[in-house]
Amino acid sequence: KAGVTQTPRYLIKTRGQQVTLSCSPISGHRSVSWYQQTPGQGLQFLFEYFSETQRNKGNFPGRFSGRQFSNSRSEMNVSTLELGDSALYLCASSAGQGGYTFGSGTRLTVV
Amino acid sequence: GEDVEQSLFLSVREGDSSVINCTYTDSSSTYLYWYKQEPGAGLQLLTYIFSNMDMKQDQRLTVLLNKKDKHLSLRIADTQTGDSAIYFCAERNSGGYNKLIFGAGTRLAVHP
Repeated sequence: KAGVTQTPRYLIKTRGQQVTLSCSPISGHRSVSWYQQTPGQGLQFLFEYFSETQRNKGNFPGRFSGRQFSNSRSEMNVSTLELGDSALYLCASSAGQGGYTFGSGTRLTVV
Repeated sequence: GEDVEQSLFLSVREGDSSVINCTYTDSSSTYLYWYKQEPGAGLQLLTYIFSNMDMKQDQRLTVLLNKKDKHLSLRIADTQTGDSAIYFCAERNSGGYNKLIFGAGTRLAVHP
């Protein structure tokens, strides 16, 4: 069974630009959630999607958005990038109960 | 409130047992998790325990849950150098859907 796939693995963007990250969950998993990991703030919840609907959102500004497609693949978008958005962005998929499987992450560097 | 706390560092000798501790505040958490993160990698799910259980064993890993004290521990038997990593404790938030609250992580260093 293929794991959670996140693309791209690395990104370098300039302040003010926007970026889109992609996550393909484990086949059959309908829940996809996103987390930001930084040295200062640790792992923080961004949002969770289930069957194309955002069910839960963390405490992040509106520049952070996401969506989920009918095949459960998810994208997150960050607009007007700031230096502080540099982080490892992790996606997790779940079948509903129990474990969450994470992808390898996308490392975003904003310069 | 939501908070998960872990000690930041643990050093053990190869072959010894490691015990990583975690405390949490949400008494109605449904699941509690342990994840492992190696340098440059994502999070690897090691094990998780449902809140109505006291203990779960999986090969070299033993999870103990004390709901009264809101304390979770992960014991790694016969610790190997390949176990060197950061270990994160997480609780599944009871108030919302599928939201994990993570601790800051415990860095485990295994030395010969």
